[in-house]
Amino acid sequence: QKEVEQNSGPLSVPEGAIASLNCTYSDRGSQSFFWYRQYSGKSPELIMSIYSNGDKEDGRFTAQLNKASQYVSLLIRDSQPSDSATYLCAVNIPSNTGNQFYFGTGTSLTVIP
Amino acid sequence: GAVVSQHPSWVICKSGTSVKIECRSLDFQATTMFWYRQFPKQSLMLMATSNEGSKATYEQGVEKDKFLINHASLTLSTLTVTSAHPEDSSFYICSVRAGLQPQHFGDGTRLSIL
Repeated sequence: QKEVEQNSGPLSVPEGAIASLNCTYSDRGSQSFFWYRQYSGKSPELIMSIYSNGDKEDGRFTAQLNKASQYVSLLIRDSQPSDSATYLCAVNIPSNTGNQFYFGTGTSLTVIP
Repeated sequence: GAVVSQHPSWVICKSGTSVKIECRSLDFQATTMFWYRQFPKQSLMLMATSNEGSKATYEQGVEKDKFLINHASLTLSTLTVTSAHPEDSSFYICSVRAGLQPQHFGDGTRLSIL
């Protein structure tokens, strides 16, 4: 079982709609959760961090964390064509040998004008 | 501002050439840096963990003699692709992090071997 799982997509939404991206993780010891956006040909860019249960909002982005169910999601409101990218979910798991950082394989999002 | 500086951003060279990529942590001292490779339309693949002052830890299937990593200071790690061949053409990305903080990525290096 992979530490972090995402639906690879592609996910297509019309412009102005809400895009919902989901991620599940296997290790209950995971403590930090992140969403990255990666445009084609570019390196990943951090867009959201979330550390505790509940919602965290930043502009059009909302991250949701549910540790009991072991999932973290990203909602993008009023989706724009410029939001078209691959979104990577990542978790940080403390361990005796140091923190382990795992990425999902990413979900490809296309926002249709 | 940028947390990580990576260069060069693009390298085109002949087969058999060795190519060095530098990764600098700008905002903090990084005892650990990471090197990833990404082929077109594929996921990030962790190649190795670079540890300051000690040997790098390579992921399974990554040839340590092919991909030499040096982390001589707390702000600089280098990846050298030795005797590069066309199959080594890829997008190489470094990252840094501290503790439970997120990883910050460099802008990546596009390597094209002719």
